[in-house]
Amino acid sequence: QVQLVQSGGGLVKPGGSLRLSCAASGFMFSDYYMSWIRQAPGKGLEWVSHITTSGRTIYYADSVKGRFTISRDNAKNSLYLQMNSLRAEDTAVYYCAREDDSSGYFDYWGQGTLVTVSS
Amino acid sequence: EIVLTQSPATLSLSPGERATLSCRASQSVSSFLAWFQQKPGQAPRLLIYDASNRATGIPARFSGSRSGTDFTLTISSLEPEDFAVYFCQQRSNWPYTFGQGTKLEIK
Repeated sequence: QVQLVQSGGGLVKPGGSLRLSCAASGFMFSDYYMSWIRQAPGKGLEWVSHITTSGRTIYYADSVKGRFTISRDNAKNSLYLQMNSLRAEDTAVYYCAREDDSSGYFDYWGQGTLVTVSS
Repeated sequence: EIVLTQSPATLSLSPGERATLSCRASQSVSSFLAWFQQKPGQAPRLLIYDASNRATGIPARFSGSRSGTDFTLTISSLEPEDFAVYFCQQRSNWPYTFGQGTKLEIK
């Protein structure tokens, strides 16, 4: 069955860095676009970043552009989010999500990982 | 950026009742709109895509419709497990955006 297992969250000081990982299984990872989506505590959902199958096309939300970097390793069936220059407003649960190859919608999600930016 | 406005913020109903949730887009998204259900401590679950198509495994009591830039999620007869937060999301334009959510609570 399709699984997305996330790791790498935690507590970091403002200005610090963190790398999130998302390990995929149960499907051909290299055939699917992927995204990161976040949810601040008690708030709604915010799309963060998108990457195509080869990694050639990448999009970012304005709120993270220039600070976050999405990448993938198809040989390792893994998606990553490198987060630099973290701010308090980046505190959220971060989800990786698969984009269905026919509809384009987020059909499978990881379990979420909490990133807390605080001194 | 396309803004999605959901209403009401909170909807209080009883099991067996019909629920109608709304999502209005600030500009045309065609039918590129989805609905998600989220329960506490869980990731969102895709319910409806392209405004009116049920995702795999979603019960028939969930349905979606579109009228211009207005979208509706209807739950025909509420089951206890349906009480949750519901989000709409558009994939017509980057950045993809979500509505702020409607909390469906037990009356």
